[in-house]
Amino acid sequence: AQTVTQSQPEMSVQEAETVTLSCTYDTSESDYYLFWYKQPPSRQMILVIRQEAYKQQNATENRFSVNFQKAAKSFSLKISDSQLGDAAMYFCAYRSLHSGNTPLVFGKGTRLSVIA
Amino acid sequence: GAVVSQHPSRVICKSGTSVKIECRSLDFQATTMFWYRQFPKQSLMLMATSNEGSKATYEQGVEKDKFLINHASLTLSTLTVTSAHPEDSSFYICSARDGDRAYSNQPQHFGDGTRLSIL
Repeated sequence: AQTVTQSQPEMSVQEAETVTLSCTYDTSESDYYLFWYKQPPSRQMILVIRQEAYKQQNATENRFSVNFQKAAKSFSLKISDSQLGDAAMYFCAYRSLHSGNTPLVFGKGTRLSVIA
Repeated sequence: GAVVSQHPSRVICKSGTSVKIECRSLDFQATTMFWYRQFPKQSLMLMATSNEGSKATYEQGVEKDKFLINHASLTLSTLTVTSAHPEDSSFYICSARDGDRAYSNQPQHFGDGTRLSIL
């Protein structure tokens, strides 16, 4: 079974600065999807960014970008120009592609605080 | 875009009560839906996979008789917590994706969750 590890339970960043959240995963599969989700206090799950494992190019979405290292099974999230609204729990997630509609496997999360 | 609606958002009830949570896909058909449970300050843990027209698949350690899942249509899955006790208090979230193909790039959509409190 696949596992996702987020080794940073909490992180903090100054407003307008850059922060990187770490994620590693364990899998024997060669094709899969990786995600970062944001969960603010409202507890809604908001998709931040997605990476297909078969794509070498790192995904970017405005201020959010990833560093995808397939060989190292690492998938870190970089948030640039941090804003107060970025404060939330961030979950790294893995989706297998071995068959049909598979669920997401989540890491334990990183709580990000943004300091004004 | 595709939306998943979950109802109710909050339930407070007495021990021994059965509680039903609904999860609807509003503008797409979902043959598969997923139910997650989230304890405070913890991650989402998959409880079960709900399959339209067939039995749900439960994760190890999840009591199928305690958490009844019915996926009777392509847009509705329900989770019933039977004879709920205080230890069942948690945040329950459903999710679904438009399409069943493994390589589909359709995102996983989440309901807003149900906060269940058993007194």
